[in-house]
Amino acid sequence: DTGVSQNPRHKITKRGQNVTFRCDPISEHNRLYWYRQTLGQGPEFLTYFQNEAQLEKSRLLSDRFSAERPKGSFSTLEIQRTEQGDSAMYLCASSLAGGQGTQFFGPGTRLTVL
Amino acid sequence: GQNIDQPTEMTATEGAIVQINCTYQTSGFNGLFWYQQHAGEAPTFLSYNVLDGLEEKGRFSSFLSRSKGYSYLLLKELQMKDSASYLCAVRDNVRDTDKLIFGTGTRLQVFP
Repeated sequence: DTGVSQNPRHKITKRGQNVTFRCDPISEHNRLYWYRQTLGQGPEFLTYFQNEAQLEKSRLLSDRFSAERPKGSFSTLEIQRTEQGDSAMYLCASSLAGGQGTQFFGPGTRLTVL
Repeated sequence: GQNIDQPTEMTATEGAIVQINCTYQTSGFNGLFWYQQHAGEAPTFLSYNVLDGLEEKGRFSSFLSRSKGYSYLLLKELQMKDSASYLCAVRDNVRDTDKLIFGTGTRLQVFP
């Protein structure tokens, strides 16, 4: 399967702990995006990369959140000192820059902070 | 500001036709996307419009009017498996950004 993959699929953690999620994009895609989705809402943009460069960060991304894409392939999203309000589905998507630029989504990581 | 509106819920009968509307007000516009999302799963791409008019793809069609800030997704010959949320998303390109701005989604329930 050559779609977007994310790990883990589910993560339960206690408030104050750090968590890290991984996203592997479609191999030829140079853009990678992170979104957050809560129940009954559409996905909200967090950040995106073109190759290894992080080109934009949402104001939603507090200083407890950091994302990297060190070699322009996979990406990690880390949340430090988790809070209950961080509980959500974290979605990763990838696309080719230019043209239609359709974003294809991975299955998501569901985070529950107790 | 950025605003995308779509109805929260709709119901329809198997075999029928349903139209899901979406209106948008965004700073930039570089295309409108429709995604389907089943509960607990990732959004999957359905359609893309960047010019005014109708795009048809099998049982699904999508329409765009940029002057009115309006789009709709038309689903024909509804099947039970079409029960899902349908997300309208605008691709924002202001100041070289490249992100999708999503509506809250329309939850469609198809009844036999």
